[in-house]
Amino acid sequence: AQTVTQSQPEMSVQEAETVTLSCTYDTSENNYYLFWYKQPPSRQMILVIRQEAYKQQNATENRFSVNFQKAAKSFSLKISDSQLGDTAMYFCAFTLEVLSDKLIFGTGTRLQVFP
Amino acid sequence: DTGVSQDPRHKITKRGQNVTFRCDPISEHNRLYWYRQTLGQGPEFLTYFQNEAQLEKSRLLSDRFSAERPKGSFSTLEIQRTEQGDSAMYLCASSRHPTGEDPETQYFGPGTRLLVL
Repeated sequence: AQTVTQSQPEMSVQEAETVTLSCTYDTSENNYYLFWYKQPPSRQMILVIRQEAYKQQNATENRFSVNFQKAAKSFSLKISDSQLGDTAMYFCAFTLEVLSDKLIFGTGTRLQVFP
Repeated sequence: DTGVSQDPRHKITKRGQNVTFRCDPISEHNRLYWYRQTLGQGPEFLTYFQNEAQLEKSRLLSDRFSAERPKGSFSTLEIQRTEQGDSAMYLCASSRHPTGEDPETQYFGPGTRLLVL
């Protein structure tokens, strides 16, 4: 079975600082896709960043970057220069079925950014 | 692009009643997904459509659940004879899926929060 584990239920960071959220996953497949989604208190889930497993280069999107370690099955999210608007639940997810693309989510990390 | 919309946003019902939720995807998206999210958990896949065809259903989707996408546009999710364990947030997502390419990003709606008393 495919699983996603987020071992940090809650994290906090001061504004302008850097924080890293951890995610590990388990799959025997070689081709898959990894995602970080953000769910602010208003509850609408939005994509933060995605990584294709066949790409060696770590994905970056402005202040968000990932550290993808395929052998270790690890996919952490680094948020630089944290902003108050980054306060949200963050979910790590992956999909390996190109035909269905259904997402398998972790349990989430609640991030609180303090002024 | 108006985004994915869901209606209603909140629903309170009594055990044993039927409820129906609606999802309107982004207009050019041919794939539509339903997920369920309980408190403190990540969303769990329920089912998905490509156009009007329902292509996969999770074992989480009991016989009391039925989903339709009759014209390949909006979708409905019906729960019959609701139980307290059905209380959850029901999320809809849509994506544009070109054959043979990487999965497209799924865009989520705001969800319908169901409370079964």
